[in-house]
Amino acid sequence: SQQGEEDPQALSIQEGENATMNCSYKTSINNLQWYRQNSGRGLVHLILIRSNEREKHSGRLRVTLDTSKKSSSLLITASRAADTASYFCATANFGNEKLTFGTGTRLTIIP
Amino acid sequence: KAGVTQTPRYLIKTRGQQVTLSCSPISGHRSVSWYQQTPGQGLQFLFEYFSETQRNKGNFPGRFSGRQFSNSRSEMNVSTLELGDSALYLCASSPGTPANYGYTFGSGTRLTVV
Repeated sequence: SQQGEEDPQALSIQEGENATMNCSYKTSINNLQWYRQNSGRGLVHLILIRSNEREKHSGRLRVTLDTSKKSSSLLITASRAADTASYFCATANFGNEKLTFGTGTRLTIIP
Repeated sequence: KAGVTQTPRYLIKTRGQQVTLSCSPISGHRSVSWYQQTPGQGLQFLFEYFSETQRNKGNFPGRFSGRQFSNSRSEMNVSTLELGDSALYLCASSPGTPANYGYTFGSGTRLTVV
């Protein structure tokens, strides 16, 4: 079963624009992680944000976490064609070692 | 350093057969997890092994099993294959608890059951 749900399911933007995708989850979490998956390949870990953090940056990526709303957002600035991929959030619950992945957002960057 | 290696990359099997998939984690990573990915169900957790012990298990039937060896390499086995087992099977390794460290994924094994 999915803990997280990404929104939108699909997003198409012009190269150079910013892309924002959201993740909502249901139960309290220890941390939340974002991954990228290029078509038919394995997932790549992008960023981890802990439950006591509100914002985190990594290069062109900015992640926010609002535990009161049980939601997170991933912002990719100045998008590039190479950013075309599916993006997943994954949540880790307290006392549980496994990660539960959301349904993913399919991002397409139009050159 | 080498990434997570999964073999084979592609596999075609007939209903009723069994299959074994292999995963070599990153050197030093003791946790290995397996996920099934399908268009309809997304990423579903199968199980996690840590130091040769199954630490977590998802909601899959007993036809799905796994093991981990002393060198942290892992295998998963699916017996009596069904058409619905067609999926991308992903292996992921972590230096410790995945919840704290995150995963490094392999490229996956694409299993097609005919």
